[in-house]
Amino acid sequence: AQSVTQPDIHITVSEGASLELRCNYSYGATPYLFWYVQSPGQGLQLLLKYFSGDTLVQGIKGFEAEFKRSQSSFNLRKPSVHWSDAAEYFCAVGDPGGGNKLTFGTGTQLKVEL
Amino acid sequence: GAVVSQHPSWVICKSGTSVKIECRSLDFQATTMFWYRQFPKQSLMLMATSNEGSKATYEQGVEKDKFLINHASLTLSTLTVTSAHPEDSSFYICSARDPGTGSYNEQFFGPGTRLTVL
Repeated sequence: AQSVTQPDIHITVSEGASLELRCNYSYGATPYLFWYVQSPGQGLQLLLKYFSGDTLVQGIKGFEAEFKRSQSSFNLRKPSVHWSDAAEYFCAVGDPGGGNKLTFGTGTQLKVEL
Repeated sequence: GAVVSQHPSWVICKSGTSVKIECRSLDFQATTMFWYRQFPKQSLMLMATSNEGSKATYEQGVEKDKFLINHASLTLSTLTVTSAHPEDSSFYICSARDPGTGSYNEQFFGPGTRLTVL
């Protein structure tokens, strides 16, 4: 069964600083990978996804992520964080052979200091 | 974009009562919807997969008689928490799969329903 690990429960960065959120996965083949953001009282919004091809994917709101097969990682990055980026971020693995179910990591809470 | 709504957004009920949560895809038809449960400060745990016109598929450890799922139309799935108890208090989130988004059908998430059982 697939699994997802987000090692950082909380991260605090200053506005304007760069950001990297870590995600490691366990899956038998090349997985489908996703990053979602959840703001208080709101549903999950898809930031970006990786299915195949170019290992560096661009998403919305200036986010990008890089798939590294050798490290089983799919880290999320943003060069300059805005105060509005404060939220909970979830990495997820999709199982294409299992009814497209998603397995989520435990999430990383991002706090942005002004 | 694809929008999924949930109703109610929050509900408080007494122990022993049943609560129904609705999940609707507003601008697309969803043959498959998913129900998740999220505990405070924790991740989303898939409870069940709901397919239109057929019985839901429950994940291991989820009581199907406790959490009744009905997917009667292509735009509506309901989750009924029967005989609710305080331990059922949680944040319930649904998602709907848009069959028109390529080879891997992306899930669109509702805003969630906060259930508190007294």
